[in-house]
This record gives sequence, structure tokens and C-alpha cells, in this order.
Amino acid sequence: DQQVKQNSPSLSVQEGRISILNCDYTNSMFDYFLWYKKYPAEGPTFLISISSIKDKNEDGRFTVFLNKSAKHLSLHIVPSQPGDSAVYFCAAQGGSEKLVFGKGMKLTVNP
Amino acid sequence: DTGVSQNPRHKITKRGQNVTFRCDPISEHNRLYWYRQTLGQGPEFLTYFQNEAQLEKSRLLSDRFSAERPKGSFSTLEIQRTEQGDSAMYLCASSPGGGLWNQPQHFGDGTRLSIL
Repeated sequence: DQQVKQNSPSLSVQEGRISILNCDYTNSMFDYFLWYKKYPAEGPTFLISISSIKDKNEDGRFTVFLNKSAKHLSLHIVPSQPGDSAVYFCAAQGGSEKLVFGKGMKLTVNP
Repeated sequence: DTGVSQNPRHKITKRGQNVTFRCDPISEHNRLYWYRQTLGQGPEFLTYFQNEAQLEKSRLLSDRFSAERPKGSFSTLEIQRTEQGDSAMYLCASSPGGGLWNQPQHFGDGTRLSIL
């Protein structure tokens, strides 16, 4: 049973435009959400996180939005750059130390 | 600031052999985690340590798997009598702990296990 879902396997955007990555979750116990970026042959790199007491967190070009009623979060990257091309994982935590990950989404930013 | 270090980066072994991986967490991080990732999937939680105490284990961690963290510093993950299904990337992560909540986990580059 997938508790964290990233329903789109891939996204392609033009350099300079906005990238929007979506994530849905089912477990109401989740209260901390994270986004990780992964390049081939490397481990996941932490990007940004949000606690359930907030609905938005911003860090430079990256903004995460949380809609608790819809059990949905999204990552916005503005402006997108070719170096952002990677696989992005959404992860959630709550009631336990473990992170529950989605399957990931491949972002391609075209020059 | 040294990140999480994992060794070896790649391990190839025959089915039935035992393998051991090592993880060195970020200095002064009290919490250490092991995950497993297979192709097309996100990382799946295996186990977690707070200092030297193993506090949580997933059902994925069968009897053939054992993890230790002596002295609360580095950790080892051993797989006995390896099977084809054990082929995966094994990831280690660490976080500060120490009473802090909602801290991100920082990952190493993993050990890729290939079973012949």
C-alpha cells in the first residue's frame, strides 16, 4: 500500500520556466514532509522540508506547499535550471523515525 | 563538514555468501538509519539507531539481516546467505537527534549489492 504517491513519473520543462512536482499521501499521522533530489550513482540529497503546522516553506528557488485537507504537497522550482535535472523524491514522516518515500519523478530541464 | 560515508560503493558476490557494509554518519549525529532502494522505487526503511540502541526495525529486515552500531558511531549492516532478491542499493542516513524533532535525514551515496 503506497502511503506516499508521486503519480507522474516524469516532467520536462524549459529552462527559466516553473517546475511543479506533486505528491499525495494517505496517512494522517504524517506531520513532516521532505523533498530530496537524486543524481545517478549518488545518494538522495535533502532539498527542503515542511512541518504540518505550516502551509508554505521557501528556500531560494524552491518552495514547498502543503495542503493538509487534501493530503497533498507540491514543490515549485522557479526558475528551473538544467542542473535541476534529476529524480525528485517526496518523503513523509510521522509517529515514527522512518521516512516513507514516493517512487520518485524524473525532472528534465531543457536548455 | 564531512557527509555520510558508505563503504564499499559496490559489492558483487555469489548467492549464499555473507556480506557486510559500513556506514560512517555525519560527526555528532546521534541518529543513524538504513534504507534499501530497488530499481524504480523510492528508498524503503530498514532500521534506525539512536546512539548504540537499535530502536526500530522494519518487517523487511529478515532474520538474515543484522545491523549494529557499537559505541554509537559507525554502523554495519550484515546480510547472511545472500539471495537474488537482496540485490539493491543500501543507503545509510543520519540526523542530529538529541531531542530535536523534524530534522532532515542526510544520506550517503550507498552501497550497490549485486548477487550473481
